[in-house]
Amino acid sequence: GAVVSQHPSRVICKSGTSVKIECRSLDFQATTMFWYRQFPKQSLMLMATSNEGSKATYEQGVEKDKFLINHASLTLSTLTVTSAHPEDSSFYICSARAGTSGPSYNEQFFGPGTRLTVL
Amino acid sequence: RKEVEQDPGPFNVPEGATVAFNCTYSNSASQSFFWYRQDCRKEPKLLMSVYSSGNEDGRFTAQLNRASQYISLLIRDSKLSDSATYLCVVNPSPGNTGKLIFGQGTTLQVKP
Repeated sequence: GAVVSQHPSRVICKSGTSVKIECRSLDFQATTMFWYRQFPKQSLMLMATSNEGSKATYEQGVEKDKFLINHASLTLSTLTVTSAHPEDSSFYICSARAGTSGPSYNEQFFGPGTRLTVL
Repeated sequence: RKEVEQDPGPFNVPEGATVAFNCTYSNSASQSFFWYRQDCRKEPKLLMSVYSSGNEDGRFTAQLNRASQYISLLIRDSKLSDSATYLCVVNPSPGNTGKLIFGQGTTLQVKP
């Protein structure tokens, strides 16, 4: 199946700093990538939908100025958590959709996740 | 009301048991349905899509009841390696934006 990587896998930072997380589709082109956040013992919550070459679409309640998303190419999307605070500590997971039509259109491939801890 | 609801469990079953998970969704216009598996501290992985006619993949059987907005997953002959959290996932968008809504997940622990 298609492979999605994330970097870094784990990051610990001080409060007030910014953290950038990369999501790459390694063997396919992803016109759409998604960013999720998962707190302990909770479900994945969609934060935003990232389309190559256009602005991301944020879910209700997600601050676009705090969570900056850039989808510069068909294989790379980045999420920057600006001025991170302890409450931003979470598991951030990206996914990529491989197809634009046909059977693969609805299938999303997930990256391994990035565990962010803000001290 | 949550968009996708699951019983969080945990379900503790012996090896070889049959176990069933249920899920309900609130948006009647939902288009696509999936079961994902998530191991502890890992990303979710697609287990199977769910179709109205029901579908089976080895020991796993998924059913969809659109009228009741209900999805189920049946696991037969449970293995120790089946221990994980099972996520019911729904694509609610008629426009096919790809947006997925995840249930809270049902935890399964298979014991020897």
